[in-house]
Amino acid sequence: KAGVTQTPRYLIKTRGQQVTLSCSPISGHRSVSWYQQTPGQGLQFLFEYFSETQRNKGNFPGRFSGRQFSNSRSEMNVSTLELGDSALYLCASSPYRSSGYNEQFFGPGTRLTVL
Amino acid sequence: AQKITQTQPGMFVQEKEAVTLDCTYDTSDQSYGLFWYKQPSSGEMIFLIYQGSYDEQNATEGRYSLNFQKARKSANLVISASQLGDSAMYFCAMREGRSQGAQKLVFGQGTRLTINP
Repeated sequence: KAGVTQTPRYLIKTRGQQVTLSCSPISGHRSVSWYQQTPGQGLQFLFEYFSETQRNKGNFPGRFSGRQFSNSRSEMNVSTLELGDSALYLCASSPYRSSGYNEQFFGPGTRLTVL
Repeated sequence: AQKITQTQPGMFVQEKEAVTLDCTYDTSDQSYGLFWYKQPSSGEMIFLIYQGSYDEQNATEGRYSLNFQKARKSANLVISASQLGDSAMYFCAMREGRSQGAQKLVFGQGTRLTINP
């Protein structure tokens, strides 16, 4: 079974631009979560989507948004990029089991550099 | 609010020795889950082990075991017989609430483990 895929893997943008990152979850997984990883702040939760609905949101400004499609693929968008948005953006998918636990499987990440 | 604390920024261990990575957590929820992830230099997060708050036995997965002390709110990862390939960042994380609920993980700052030959 294929793992979580993220595209692109690397991205260089300039301040003020916007960017869209894509995530394809493991087949059958309906939950997709996004995390931002920086050296200073560590790993921080951005948001989670389940069946095309945002189920949870972290403490990030409105410039960060996302969506999920009917096939569970998800995109996140950052508008008006700032230097501080430079980070590794990780996507994770999770199955939905009625019992037991639902571990999150992470993709390889998209490394965004804002110049 | 939930919080995960990993007090060891870096650890150096000789190959084949056992190593314990510390993790303490804070939550007011009765139902929660604790995870350990490994992040090699490539960046991908690799799931290692899970412990539920209601699990009475410590979780084990191959060379990994989780020393869960609920009263102390600690969930230390033990790696037995360390290998050179274990060198990586290790993150402890917590999910509050039911496993069927929103999948939000709170991560600690991580511990960089280096295995010396």
